[in-house]
Amino acid sequence: DAGITQSPRHKVTETGTPVTLRCHQTENHRYMYWYRQDPGHGLRLIHYSYGVKDTDKGEVSDGYSVSRSKTEDFLLTLESATSSQTSVYFCAISDGRGAGQETQYFGPGTRLLVL
Amino acid sequence: TQLLEQSPQFLSIQEGENLTVYCNSSSVFSSLQWYRQEPGEGPVLLVTVVTGGEVKKLKRLTFQFGDARKDSSLHITAAQPGDTGLYLCADADSWGKLQFGAGTQVVVTP
Repeated sequence: DAGITQSPRHKVTETGTPVTLRCHQTENHRYMYWYRQDPGHGLRLIHYSYGVKDTDKGEVSDGYSVSRSKTEDFLLTLESATSSQTSVYFCAISDGRGAGQETQYFGPGTRLLVL
Repeated sequence: TQLLEQSPQFLSIQEGENLTVYCNSSSVFSSLQWYRQEPGEGPVLLVTVVTGGEVKKLKRLTFQFGDARKDSSLHITAAQPGDTGLYLCADADSWGKLQFGAGTQVVVTP
């Protein structure tokens, strides 16, 4: 298994509070991604990173920010959580050398409930 | 915006039966990937197909990519309970960003 951990694995928070989710990898992969998974939508890309301090927006980036100060860590922050951000969040990594044909490895997910 | 449609949404079969799930796109795939996701875990890549008309086999799983690169199918022969899971198709662009379909939930009962 690829060395990807996500923390916390479960979190319950209240509307309006800030929340930070952490993705940590031990593979030294260049690319890291944050997705959210909701019933009927599959997984949707929130933000991604193609190197330290290099990030870009995905399909559903509103209300989320990210930071990557080290190769191994990619943080996802909900500045002010809303109930619509209740979801399961997955981090993924890839070495990016396959021009879109490489394998993306997913973490175990974080289940977030915003009350 | 590309739309990926997977069908059926849910499939329940008995062990030993065959099944096919489908993935259709409103536009040409850059490259198509199939994933399987088990409860409580992240998706795991099964296969990547790139060339129109391509067929790939992975044990009892057969993946077909349409000639026009806008559709794909996944066929499982003699399904086993271990094949239970959510099957997701995804379009992978040159940056590796994935756009997923909503998935087909497959349940194989003994």
